[in-house]
Amino acid sequence: SQQGEEDPQALSIQEGENATMNCSYKTSINNLQWYRQNSGRGLVHLILIRSNEREKHSGRLRVTLDTSKKSSSLLITASRAADTASYFCATARSGSARQLTFGSGTQLTVLP
Amino acid sequence: SAVISQKPSRDICQRGTSLTIQCQVDSQVTMMFWYRQQPGQSLTLIATANQGSEATYESGFVIDKFPISRPNLTFSTLTVSNMSPEDSSIYLCSARITLGAGETQYFGPGTRLLVL
Repeated sequence: SQQGEEDPQALSIQEGENATMNCSYKTSINNLQWYRQNSGRGLVHLILIRSNEREKHSGRLRVTLDTSKKSSSLLITASRAADTASYFCATARSGSARQLTFGSGTQLTVLP
Repeated sequence: SAVISQKPSRDICQRGTSLTIQCQVDSQVTMMFWYRQQPGQSLTLIATANQGSEATYESGFVIDKFPISRPNLTFSTLTVSNMSPEDSSIYLCSARITLGAGETQYFGPGTRLLVL
């Protein structure tokens, strides 16, 4: 079953604007990861944030994690048309296998 | 990083038949997983492919329907058995690479399956 819910389900912005996507989950986690999927393509790993971290940056990406609220956000700054894709959060279970459970995803469209 | 390849990339199958999907990783990995992504949906974990032992299946998935092999640290197969149109999905192989304190889970390009 899906653990995570993401909002919004769809987001449309102009190039240059910032895009924020949110993810909520239900159980305790080891880490949370964000992935991008271009239409009809495989998943690309974007960033991982551990349960003891609160914020992480990678290039134009900023991820926050609030374990007390069981939520995370992904911010893409200065968006580009090439950022158009589906974005998924995935939570890794505690334990050695750390299987990923994916959220429902946000479809981001960046208009040129 | 890891490069994961899957074969076939896509297939169209008749109901009642079976299809075996192969997954090859370009380096040895401890953990491999199989996911399903139904049209317009997110990914759902089918099972963890354990090297040298039976796969660990998630709720709603059973070995008779989705037998998995993992003969070594770089290869795994997933069979979709006795297929029905409801099995039409993208099936993705995944492998986790751990380097020091960091880890990344990589995904193959997926196998698009259409069952008629």
